[in-house]
Amino acid sequence: QKEVEQNSGPLSVPEGAIASLNCTYSDRGSQSFFWYRQYSGKSPELIMSIYSNGDKEDGRFTAQLNKASQYVSLLIRDSQPSDSATYLCAVNFLSRGSGGSNYKLTFGKGTLLTVNP
Amino acid sequence: KAGVTQTPRYLIKTRGQQVTLSCSPISGHRSVSWYQQTPGQGLQFLFEYFSETQRNKGNFPGRFSGRQFSNSRSEMNVSTLELGDSALYLCASSPGQFYGYTFGSGTRLTVV
Repeated sequence: QKEVEQNSGPLSVPEGAIASLNCTYSDRGSQSFFWYRQYSGKSPELIMSIYSNGDKEDGRFTAQLNKASQYVSLLIRDSQPSDSATYLCAVNFLSRGSGGSNYKLTFGKGTLLTVNP
Repeated sequence: KAGVTQTPRYLIKTRGQQVTLSCSPISGHRSVSWYQQTPGQGLQFLFEYFSETQRNKGNFPGRFSGRQFSNSRSEMNVSTLELGDSALYLCASSPGQFYGYTFGSGTRLTVV
């Protein structure tokens, strides 16, 4: 069973601080990795994708990937109360299904982030 | 550009009934996936369709089925509903396997 593991939290940070969210995955052969944000009562929203080792920055968000350690992280700089949400890590695992070998996007259970004003 | 559209938004059904949920993907997206989300289990993969073919299936009983039409629209069906099927059902579309998915607003199913 291919898995994605995240700390469930809650993670609480003060406004303006850096929030650090972590994720590990079980399949070394995975090629694509994503972070989603889900507000309470809403559907997940894609905020970052990363495909190669290193850092990828987009505004206040930085995704970090280390394939050797099977580790993905998301940093949120200058955290705002509006960043309070559940953050879901997702990994595309190669899966052998009825249609042959294809990728299946598997999600962690998410980390609840609270940014306190 | 229109997003992923799911209908209906809310549904209440009785145990033993069946239900059909509908999903219209973003124009040009040929991959459609379905997920079940519950507070305890998180997002669980149901199945993925591409060009009317089911490419992948999650670990759900045969009561859960789906299909995709030639215009990429997709439906999922749950027969003989059980109380435990109460959940948010999310449809997501993608232009390809290595891209992230865009989710619809979901269908909230309550089985009583």
